Amino acid sequence: DVKVTQSSRYLVKRTGEKVFLECVQDMDHENMFWYRQDPGLGLRLIYFSYDVKMKEKGDIPEGYSVSREKKERFSLILESASTNQTSMYLCASRSIEGGASRTQYFGPGTRLTVL
Amino acid sequence: GIQVEQSPPDLILQEGANSTLRCNFSDSVNNLQWFHQNPWGQLINLFYIPSGTKQNGRLSATTVATERYSLLYISSSQTTDSGVYFCAVPVGSGNTPLVFGKGTRLSVIA
Repeated sequence: DVKVTQSSRYLVKRTGEKVFLECVQDMDHENMFWYRQDPGLGLRLIYFSYDVKMKEKGDIPEGYSVSREKKERFSLILESASTNQTSMYLCASRSIEGGASRTQYFGPGTRLTVL
Repeated sequence: GIQVEQSPPDLILQEGANSTLRCNFSDSVNNLQWFHQNPWGQLINLFYIPSGTKQNGRLSATTVATERYSLLYISSSQTTDSGVYFCAVPVGSGNTPLVFGKGTRLSVIA
């Protein structure tokens, strides 16, 4: 079974703190993604990575950065957390192989609250 | 970019009832996935279905790619089916991220 894990289920931080959200997958997937989910706005793509050391901006990258030094790990960084970054953060991974191998798998999510 | 619309936005069912969820998309796609988000927030993939019909237990899905829609059928619904159902398609051709519809929130009551 594919497994995508995220470092925390719940996280509470203060405004201005630097926040690291970690995501690890165990299926040797090339692609990894970070989304945030807010009521009424659905899932929005923050950043994605096609492979190690590669990163691409998604729809809402402002206020975030990412790091992918190893294939299995994709980190989302909030350089200076703000209250409008309170949200559910979801990590996902998938293979670049064609067909059903493109199925995307999600981690359990991290509910981040910034006070 | 490609647009994904899901309907209905909300659905309340009595346990045992059947339902059909719809996903319309604005351009041709080679990949369509259905997900279920449970009340704890976990997104589980249900189907990879760019075309044709697939079944998995009480759930089945049909995608008519030429007409740009997909349907998710839930039969004999159970309370554990509650949650939000999303469909997603690639932003573009090739290896591109998925764009998600806004989802259908399903509540199954005993």
